[in-house]
Amino acid sequence: DTAVSQTPKYLVTQMGNDKSIKCEQNLGHDTMYWYKQDSKKFLKIMFSYNNKELIINETVPNRFSPKSPDKAHLNLHINSLELGDSAVYFCASSQIGEPNSYNEQFFGPGTRLTVL
Amino acid sequence: AQTVTQSQPEMSVQEAETVTLSCTYDTSESNYYLFWYKQPPSRQMILVIRQEAYKQQNATENRFSVNFQKAAKSFSLKISDSQLGDTAMYFCAFVSGYSTLTFGKGTMLLVSP
Repeated sequence: DTAVSQTPKYLVTQMGNDKSIKCEQNLGHDTMYWYKQDSKKFLKIMFSYNNKELIINETVPNRFSPKSPDKAHLNLHINSLELGDSAVYFCASSQIGEPNSYNEQFFGPGTRLTVL
Repeated sequence: AQTVTQSQPEMSVQEAETVTLSCTYDTSESNYYLFWYKQPPSRQMILVIRQEAYKQQNATENRFSVNFQKAAKSFSLKISDSQLGDTAMYFCAFVSGYSTLTFGKGTMLLVSP
């Protein structure tokens, strides 16, 4: 059973399009995240949701809108895609504050987005 | 704000040898967690080892061990008996409280026969 899953794994699209990436976790965690990994492999947090509420929103264009319908899902919608949005996007989840949890984050397999 | 620095962009080692990847961090927090993640070509992020800041004993997981020096804010990863499957990008990461992971820029490790 996959702990954190993302769909699709690959996404190729044209500039200006709107696309969504879905994420689901079956670990019962209360917190989910989106990270962006650029072409130089640098990983940076974009958003964090705790119990369906946005708790962290880094400096990300407002073309990016996360949506959390429930604790197990955190989707990422991107409007008006630009060339610079090409990257690998990782979803992750964790259980915050639980003793001995280390706040460890479990990652999905990533979605490689290519904007042409 | 926390920062994590990995000063070695690339490293090479031969099979069966030992290699150490360095990581330093900066924080004003007293309790936090440190991690090493491995990202092979499959791009999956795999947790290698973790350390709680208040534990003085260095964490060990089979061939992987850390040298955690809290005063120096250093958290290096030692890989013993390197294997070809260890070839990957290695990321050092920091988290405290309700914050998210802060990653270093990564070290690309190449293990050759």
